[in-house]
Amino acid sequence: DVKVTQSSRYLVKRTGEKVFLECVQDMDHENMFWYRQDPGLGLRLIYFSYDVKMKEKGDIPEGYSVSREKKERFSLILESASTNQTSMYLCASSLASLETQYFGPGTRLLVL
Amino acid sequence: DQQVKQNSPSLSVQEGRISILNCDYTNSMFDYFLWYKKYPAEGPTFLISISSIKDKNEDGRFTVFLNKSAKHLSLHIVPSQPGDSAVYFCAAGQGGSEKLVFGKGTKLTVNP
Repeated sequence: DVKVTQSSRYLVKRTGEKVFLECVQDMDHENMFWYRQDPGLGLRLIYFSYDVKMKEKGDIPEGYSVSREKKERFSLILESASTNQTSMYLCASSLASLETQYFGPGTRLLVL
Repeated sequence: DQQVKQNSPSLSVQEGRISILNCDYTNSMFDYFLWYKKYPAEGPTFLISISSIKDKNEDGRFTVFLNKSAKHLSLHIVPSQPGDSAVYFCAAGQGGSEKLVFGKGTKLTVNP
């Protein structure tokens, strides 16, 4: 079974803080993804990575950056958190294109 | 520009009856389609998929139908159970791309 874990289930941060969200997968998957989910907007892709140190912007990359130093780990960084980044953040991984993406449990982030 | 549309934000059915969730897409290059189920405060879980070379795929109570000419797919759940109450996301992908495009989701409520 694929396991995708995320470092925190719930997080509360203040405006302007730097926030790190970490994701780890244990199935040697090539691809990793960060989404945010907001009511009425579905899942929106922030960034994804198809290999170590490789990244591509998704649909809403502004205000975010990512890091993939090891194959199993993909970090999402909010350089200076803002209240409009309050959301549910979901990490996913997949073996290759046209393969199922498997999701972690999500991190609910509240920025005050 | 929404490439994957789930036009019904919510659906309510009686336990034991059929649930039909619909999804439309605009990009004819999509060749792989998936359905995910999501409970509150959890990550989406993969339910069932279908490739464009098929028009039907069945897995227990869940069947996905694909109508390529209409660019339409549907998920049938028979019989529906209260535990099926969740948000269902339709997603589409194409060969050569690691990304999936998600719909905004349909909230299914199955009443006992």
